[in-house]
Amino acid sequence: DIQMTQSPSTLSASVGDRVTITCRASQSINSWLAWYQQKPGKVPKLLIYQASSLESGVPSRFSGSGSGTEFTLTISSLQPDDFATYFCQQYHSYLTFGPGTKVEIK
Amino acid sequence: EVQLLESGGGLVQRGGSLRLSCAASGFSFSTHAMNWVRQAPGKGLEWVSAISASGDNTHYADSVKGRFTISRDNSKDTLFLQMNTLTAGDTAVYYCAKTRSTVMILTDAFDYWGQGTLVTVPS
Repeated sequence: DIQMTQSPSTLSASVGDRVTITCRASQSINSWLAWYQQKPGKVPKLLIYQASSLESGVPSRFSGSGSGTEFTLTISSLQPDDFATYFCQQYHSYLTFGPGTKVEIK
Repeated sequence: EVQLLESGGGLVQRGGSLRLSCAASGFSFSTHAMNWVRQAPGKGLEWVSAISASGDNTHYADSVKGRFTISRDNSKDTLFLQMNTLTAGDTAVYYCAKTRSTVMILTDAFDYWGQGTLVTVPS
């Protein structure tokens, strides 16, 4: 089974900051990686698929990069609506989620 | 508008069974693989099971293999999850999720999720 890790587990940032979250896979997943945003009590929302493709309707301040085993989600300028938990997900071999990164207000 | 509406959750005793349903609308259900994902209270997301568009292929997480069965009725645009021999570790909100493309056989990024149905198994 493919294991996913994320770092950091918690991130404190201010509005306007550039934020980067890292996701690592235990083996190569090519570019079969997605990123989701989840707010408390809400359903996960797809942000990025295939490592770097922006889902329709998602603000352009979100971007994804990477391939193989290391991936990043970047928020270019953090907005108040972006404080949430972010999960990566591999779908190269069945499916595994990362443990999540909580983005908190600094 | 794509809609996924889960039902069937509730309180069940250890060792008991439940059958979850997910009624889909707003897209061509029979052309998309579907998945179940769960989230224990205050925890992360855990993939549970996947089924191909035709229903011919299925796969399960090790934690539920042999106890859960995924199925679908394409004539009724409905996804199911039969859960047997439930334990406290199965307590979670269960989401059905639509695969983004029609190309991937079992799993994919999920572009739509249901609101979830809560399954509680007291310890």
